[in-house]
Amino acid sequence: EIVMTQSPATLSVSPGERATLSCRASQSVNSNLAWYQQKPGQAPRLLIYGASTGATGIPVRFSGSGSGTDFTLTISSLQSEDFAVYYCQQYNKWPLTFGGGTKVEIK
Amino acid sequence: EVQLVESGGGLGQPGGSLRLSCAASGFTFSSHAMSWVRQAPGKGLEWVSSISGRDGGTYYADSVRGRFTISRDNSQNTLFLQMDSLGVEDTAVYHCAKNVGEWWYPDHWGQGILVTVSS
Repeated sequence: EIVMTQSPATLSVSPGERATLSCRASQSVNSNLAWYQQKPGQAPRLLIYGASTGATGIPVRFSGSGSGTDFTLTISSLQSEDFAVYYCQQYNKWPLTFGGGTKVEIK
Repeated sequence: EVQLVESGGGLGQPGGSLRLSCAASGFTFSSHAMSWVRQAPGKGLEWVSSISGRDGGTYYADSVRGRFTISRDNSQNTLFLQMDSLGVEDTAVYHCAKNVGEWWYPDHWGQGILVTVSS
């Protein structure tokens, strides 16, 4: 099983600042990586797929990068609606696996 | 608009069974793989199972293989999850999710339904 490790577990950021979230895979997943945002009481929302392609309707302040084992989600200028938990997911190999999540909170 | 509405959750007994359903609309159901993803209270996301839209191939997490069965009825645009031999560790919100074609990542998720396993 490919283990996905996200860091940090919690990120405290002020509105308007940049947030950088990390996701590391225990073996290569090529570019078969997706990022999701989840707010309390809501279903997850797809942000990024293919490691760097923005999903439909996602603001351009969200960007993804990386390939192989190391990936980054960057939120260029945090808005109030961006405070949430973010998960990465690899879909290169069965079983599909998610990272443990990074909570982005208001500083 | 894509809509995914889960039903069939609730309280299950340890060792018992529950069957979840997911009614899908707003897209060509048979053209997309579908998945179930669960989230235990206060925890992260855990993939449970997926089924291909193309050939009906099924895939399971080790934690549920042999106990859960995923299936679909393309004529009714409905996804199912038969859960047998339930354990307390299966307590979670279960989300139905639409995959992007035959890619194994979801682009739409249902709100989820709570399954509680307790005596």
